[in-house]
Amino acid sequence: NAGVTQTPKFQVLKTGQSMTLQCAQDMNHEYMSWYRQDPGMGLRLIHYSVGAGITDQGEVPNGYNVSRSTTEDFPLRLLSAAPSQTSVYFCASSVSGLNTEAFFGQGTRLTVV
Amino acid sequence: GDSVTQMEGPVTLSEEAFLTINCTYTATGYPSLFWYVQYPGEGLQLLLKATKADDKGSNKGFEATYRKETTSFHLEKGSVQVSDSAVYFCALSDNDYKLSFGAGTTVTVRA
Repeated sequence: NAGVTQTPKFQVLKTGQSMTLQCAQDMNHEYMSWYRQDPGMGLRLIHYSVGAGITDQGEVPNGYNVSRSTTEDFPLRLLSAAPSQTSVYFCASSVSGLNTEAFFGQGTRLTVV
Repeated sequence: GDSVTQMEGPVTLSEEAFLTINCTYTATGYPSLFWYVQYPGEGLQLLLKATKADDKGSNKGFEATYRKETTSFHLEKGSVQVSDSAVYFCALSDNDYKLSFGAGTTVTVRA
């Protein structure tokens, strides 16, 4: 059972480059989300989706785009990478809203130089 | 808005020592409370949770009690092992699936 799979695990970008972080889950979860993890700041929500075709902004959405064309996939796009986007990115999914466990991928460590 | 404040780290302990990580929260409604653990090189995984006041969550020897009167959810373990070395995150979810996380506490257990 794969759970939540993120690719790539590591990435180095130059300022201004674009890229897509991939996230896929095989648990048929409706809810998916992207977080970034920075030292001393915990995890902060970037974007989330409550189902295919529905996305919304989280706490720190600027510089990122998402789409949800299928239940399984929730890619995160960086349109023009900036050094401030150097971080570890986590994708998560859950069955439904309140009280349910979120399942996390192993993370993508992104460095923008 | 919702927020979580947890004890600053890092915390270094010897094996078999008692561990406490303090967590307090601010929320407008009646949130569910969680502790997630992140082992080196891995994603977060749920350690325990509590969904209403006075609930006690427990798992792997860890416990935390939902205290509404003090808006707290402190994590405790009576006798830690080297394998408990990890980063621990307190989190809450208030009426939707979005999680608000604390800053994380790094715990290192020495043999």
